[in-house]
Amino acid sequence: DTAVSQTPKYLVTQMGNDKSIKCEQNLGHDTMYWYKQDSKKFLKIMFSYNNKELIINETVPNRFSPKSPDKAHLNLHINSLELGDSAVYFCASSHQDRGTDTQYFGPGTRLTVL
Amino acid sequence: AQSVAQPEDQVNVAEGNPLTVKCTYSVSGNPYLFWYVQYPNRGLQFLLKYITGDNLVKGSYGFEAEFNKSQTSFHLKKPSALVSDSALYFCAVRDLRNTGGFKTIFGAGTRLFVKA
Repeated sequence: DTAVSQTPKYLVTQMGNDKSIKCEQNLGHDTMYWYKQDSKKFLKIMFSYNNKELIINETVPNRFSPKSPDKAHLNLHINSLELGDSAVYFCASSHQDRGTDTQYFGPGTRLTVL
Repeated sequence: AQSVAQPEDQVNVAEGNPLTVKCTYSVSGNPYLFWYVQYPNRGLQFLLKYITGDNLVKGSYGFEAEFNKSQTSFHLKKPSALVSDSALYFCAVRDLRNTGGFKTIFGAGTRLFVKA
């Protein structure tokens, strides 16, 4: 069983389009995250939800909008895609209420904007 | 604010030799420190963490890390490297936020290359 899954794995699209990435975790965790990993492999947090409540919203353009319909799902919608949005996007989850915040990552979604 | 630094972009080691991947940290208060590994085209995987207790922490795949408070370091080690250990390694620190909850801050990553 996949603990943290993301769809799609690859996403190739044109500038200006709108796209969504979905994430699901079956670990019973209370917190989910979106990270962006650029071409130099730097990993930067974008958003975090704890029990469906947005708790971290880093300096991310308004074109990015996360949605958490329930504790097991966190989706990322991106409007008006730009070339600079090309990256690998990772979803992760953890149990923050247990204090240690060990994170479990999905396999990533490689987004290419042409 | 908390931060971690990984001073080496790449570490090269021969198979069978010991390996060390360096990490230093800057925190206020007690640090919660982590090591994650990323294999090509995969997500990050948790290796080990230090919260409190023994300074030597053992983790997955034979890795261990030594917490050194005086040197503010948390170096990752393995006594005998395998070619399959070749991957990207991230050191991370948990940052307790004023508004509640935690944020994990990752280092820039160190690429480990183990040569047969």
